[in-house]
Amino acid sequence: GQSLEQPSEVTAVEGAIVQINCTYQTSGFYGLSWYQQHDGGAPTFLSYNALDGLEETGRFSSFLSRSDSYGYLLLQELQMKDSASYFCAVRDQGVRGSYIPTFGRGTSLIVHP
Amino acid sequence: DADVTQTPRNRITKTGKRIMLECSQTKGHDRMYWYRQDPGLGLRLIYYSFDVKDINKGEISDGYSVSRQAQAKFSLSLESAIPNQTALYFCATSEVGGRETQYFGPGTRLLVL
Repeated sequence: GQSLEQPSEVTAVEGAIVQINCTYQTSGFYGLSWYQQHDGGAPTFLSYNALDGLEETGRFSSFLSRSDSYGYLLLQELQMKDSASYFCAVRDQGVRGSYIPTFGRGTSLIVHP
Repeated sequence: DADVTQTPRNRITKTGKRIMLECSQTKGHDRMYWYRQDPGLGLRLIYYSFDVKDINKGEISDGYSVSRQAQAKFSLSLESAIPNQTALYFCATSEVGGRETQYFGPGTRLLVL
């Protein structure tokens, strides 16, 4: 089975940089994903790391260290619209060698003016 | 038009009633999933299906059943609803291989009285 830990809430001011951490325990690791969910909306995919290192997509970056079972999502130049919940997810082993996702409990990011 | 749709978007029902939530997708993906979201608990997998004749239990399948009527349709049923099934339910799809990114529907908010 899988276990993921991420902070329940993070606050920051507009224009700042914020990092949301995720640690995981898995029986087998196949990749770490990040999703964003605005209040009342559906989760949407942000980024994916299968290998160690940093992946950058505009203002958002995601980092993975497989040896430390750790990853983070970095949000730069924060905007009010970045206020949302952020979920990390790992791929667990499903049936017949397939992979299914397991999600963390989510981090609520509150951006203040 | 949305790629993944869910009906109804909101539903109020009484304890003991049977209720069906429906999901349709136009993404052409073989894999479909049903999740439940409760505050502070993240997204938990109820059932998943990798093709029309394939149904698999997820983390929290008790009290639920599913039907995969076609590649594009995946329904979730609560045979006898109970108040602790009050939650936000999401359907999702993914393609085979690669990142297996989850594409979520808009969600169904269910209240069981």
